[in-house]
Order: sequence, then structure tokens, then C-alpha cells
Amino acid sequence: DVKVTQSSRYLVKRTGEKVFLECVQDMDHENMFWYRQDPGLGLRLIYFSYDVKMKEKGDIPEGYSVSREKKERFSLILESASTNQTSMYLCASPPGQGFTDTQYFGPGTRLTVL
Amino acid sequence: AQKVTQAQTEISVVEKEDVTLDCVYETRDTTYYLFWYKQPPSGELVFLIRRNSFDEQNEISGRYSWNFQKSTSSFNFTITASQVVDSAVYFCALSEKDSSYKLIFGSGTRLLVRP
Repeated sequence: DVKVTQSSRYLVKRTGEKVFLECVQDMDHENMFWYRQDPGLGLRLIYFSYDVKMKEKGDIPEGYSVSREKKERFSLILESASTNQTSMYLCASPPGQGFTDTQYFGPGTRLTVL
Repeated sequence: AQKVTQAQTEISVVEKEDVTLDCVYETRDTTYYLFWYKQPPSGELVFLIRRNSFDEQNEISGRYSWNFQKSTSSFNFTITASQVVDSAVYFCALSEKDSSYKLIFGSGTRLLVRP
């Protein structure tokens, strides 16, 4: 079974804090993705990684950075959290490469920035 | 530009009714994949189906069925005899050969099935 886990289901942080969201997959997948979900907007891609230490910007990378030091772990970093980053964050990982693969999602982290 | 439109923001039905969720997509690619995901109140996105652009055959899986029509760029999802457990947000998504890593999501349709 495909298994993607995220470190927290709910997180509350203050404006200006540095925030780390962690995603782990135990299936030796190359690709990992971070999405943000907001009502009425669906899911939007923030960043993705296609190998260790490799990353590419998605559609809305501003205010975020990522880190992939090990194949199984992909971290999303909010350098200085702001209230407009209050959202649901979802990590995903497909088994292979390319557009044919199904992305399997983690349970999500609901982040509130006060 | 690629785009997925789910015009129905919210649908409410009574249990045992049939319901169809609409999905319209735009793409310039001739090779692409379409997906449906379910997001129950727990929050995790659950994969339901994947369909490639060369396979227009309709698919049925239990109470779920999907109608893919390239002529109208639609990939609609029907739940027959809906149940309360079907209550969720449903997302349609598109991936294209020319954007190999990217999944484009619609804005989602919230389905509420009342007992």
C-alpha cells in the first residue's frame, strides 16, 4: 500500500515564525509534491522535487522554500509565516515519473497563522 | 492554457438519489490523463480513477461511473443510489504530457448526502 505521512494534522503558529511541514513516504519514490488547498481554489502546486536535493517551483512558490536531503522526506518551509498562509497543506507522491502516474496524498496539515 | 472547471460548488441530495458531478477541462495536448479524487471530512485525498485521453470508454465501479467525452471536453462522475458516506469534496484533475509533473485541479464540488 502507498503510504504518505505528514508530521502534523493541525498546527497553530504566530506571524513571523519559521514553520516546517514534514512529509515522509516509505515507498522509495523519486517525486514528491507540496500543494496548498483553499476553498474555491482547489489544490495549487507550491513546489515539487524529482530527486534528492532537486526541486522545482510550482505555481505559487512565493513565501515558501523546500528541502529534500533524503529521498523519503520532503519538507516545506515557511521562512516567516503570514496570516495569508493559513491553509490546508497536502503532500503527494506518485510511484513513478511523468504525467501518467497517480499521485497519492498524505492526510494533510491544517495550518493556522495568527 | 490548461484548466479544469467544476462549476458545481455544492450539491445536496437525499440518500438513494443519483447525482452527477461535472468536470470540464481545457488542454492543447492530445495526450493527457484525467483523475477524480474524493476528500472526506478527515481531509485525506483518496484516488478514485485515472483515465487517459485515448480511452473514451465509460467506466463503472460499483455505484460509481464515469463518462468521458472528448467532444465536449468533459469527464463527469455519477454516483448511483447515493449514501451518507459519499458526503465529501470531489476533485477532478488533469495532467498533460507536456507538463510531465504537474497535476491541475478543479476547485472541487462539495457533495452532501442527507439521510
